[in-house]
Amino acid sequence: EDQVTQSPEALRLQEGESSSLNCSYTVSGLRGLFWYRQDPGKGPEFLFTLYSAGEEKEKERLKATLTKKESFLHITAPKPEDSATYLCAVQLSLTGGGNKLTFGTGTQLKVEL
Amino acid sequence: KAGVTQTPRYLIKTRGQQVTLSCSPISGHRSVSWYQQTPGQGLQFLFEYFSETQRNKGNFPGRFSGRQFSNSRSEMNVSTLELGDSALYLCASSPSTSTYEQYFGPGTRLTVT
Repeated sequence: EDQVTQSPEALRLQEGESSSLNCSYTVSGLRGLFWYRQDPGKGPEFLFTLYSAGEEKEKERLKATLTKKESFLHITAPKPEDSATYLCAVQLSLTGGGNKLTFGTGTQLKVEL
Repeated sequence: KAGVTQTPRYLIKTRGQQVTLSCSPISGHRSVSWYQQTPGQGLQFLFEYFSETQRNKGNFPGRFSGRQFSNSRSEMNVSTLELGDSALYLCASSPSTSTYEQYFGPGTRLTVT
């Protein structure tokens, strides 16, 4: 069965304290791995897509990396506005094509002054 | 470019009733997917439509249905509502089924009493 597991479930950081979020997956036929940010009461906001092991992408204080079994979202010198739930999702190769994302349960990040 | 819009944003219904939710994708996007988000189960895929055809379906009962119109706007319907249907219903659009990124709307918060 396809599984996506995120850790930790919750993370509290001081402003400027760098850390990493983990997303491990057990799937067959991975097309892509996605990172989203979700603020309370809002829809997920797209951050990154990674397609192959070794790939890295950066955006401001965020950097996403991908291996054959997991992905990391590195947060460098976080600020309070980075507080949100970070969601990882995988897209599989489907017979007939199509879009279907399988999500992890997310990491709730709180950055304090 | 306007983002994905969903209406209504909030809805309160009674058990046994039915409900219809609407989604307008980003202009030019032809693929629309629907997801259910609950605290216990996280984000779960409901179904995807492309060119007015359902391409993929998640593991939800037949009470959940959808359709897509020629202008790519989509609706989802839930009949015979149950308390467990209370959730945030999210719509996501993508240019096509071969383009991986999906962009989410703000969601419709459905409460069943």
